[in-house]
Amino acid sequence: GAVVSQHPSRVICKSGTSVKIECRSLDFQATTMFWYRQFPKQSLMLMATSNEGSKATYEQGVEKDKFLINHASLTLSTLTVTSAHPEDSSFYICSATTGGQPQHFGDGTRLSIL
Amino acid sequence: GENVEQHPSTLSVQEGDSAVIKCTYSDSASNYFPWYKQELGKRPQLIIDIRSNVGEKKDQRIAVTLNKTAKHFSLHITETQPEDSAVYFCAASMVPGGGADGLTFGKGTHLIIQP
Repeated sequence: GAVVSQHPSRVICKSGTSVKIECRSLDFQATTMFWYRQFPKQSLMLMATSNEGSKATYEQGVEKDKFLINHASLTLSTLTVTSAHPEDSSFYICSATTGGQPQHFGDGTRLSIL
Repeated sequence: GENVEQHPSTLSVQEGDSAVIKCTYSDSASNYFPWYKQELGKRPQLIIDIRSNVGEKKDQRIAVTLNKTAKHFSLHITETQPEDSAVYFCAASMVPGGGADGLTFGKGTHLIIQP
């Protein structure tokens, strides 16, 4: 149980492109989903917290207009990196939780901006 | 906000020996402390967690200890095996799901098991 699916697993695109990443909880309803970013050989840094039906809460230093988060249902959250630039290249991971249970992570999306 | 320090950054042990990774946290309101194992390019996987009302928890070769007074917790792996090689992250939050603040992670420990 507690499976979180993230898609796509890898994206390579040109600078200026917008990229959408999907995060789905497959066998449970996720009241809260989190988006993290991980640079090579570094830790996971929380970007934003997303609750179904409400606006996402962004961590300090994360631009909400650049990283658009939509949590339209209890099983789906999306992260859109708008006008991506090379410095946005990173490993993006979502996680989902419900009812105070531990977070379960998706497989991550490796984003490479040329 | 919460700050989690993790040591060491790299740990190399002989197969069969024990490995200990230590973390400290700053926010006394934190009550939940999970440990994740992450293999290269893969998702972090929860391997064990502990809540503040418990001082120690064990699951086969893995154990976690918590000292709430000193605000530190440790991961202990006994009888290490090659498949234990990975990056291990500690984390802290006020509630198991992370609540409104998510999990605050340590910087990670690269555990290398030497055959």
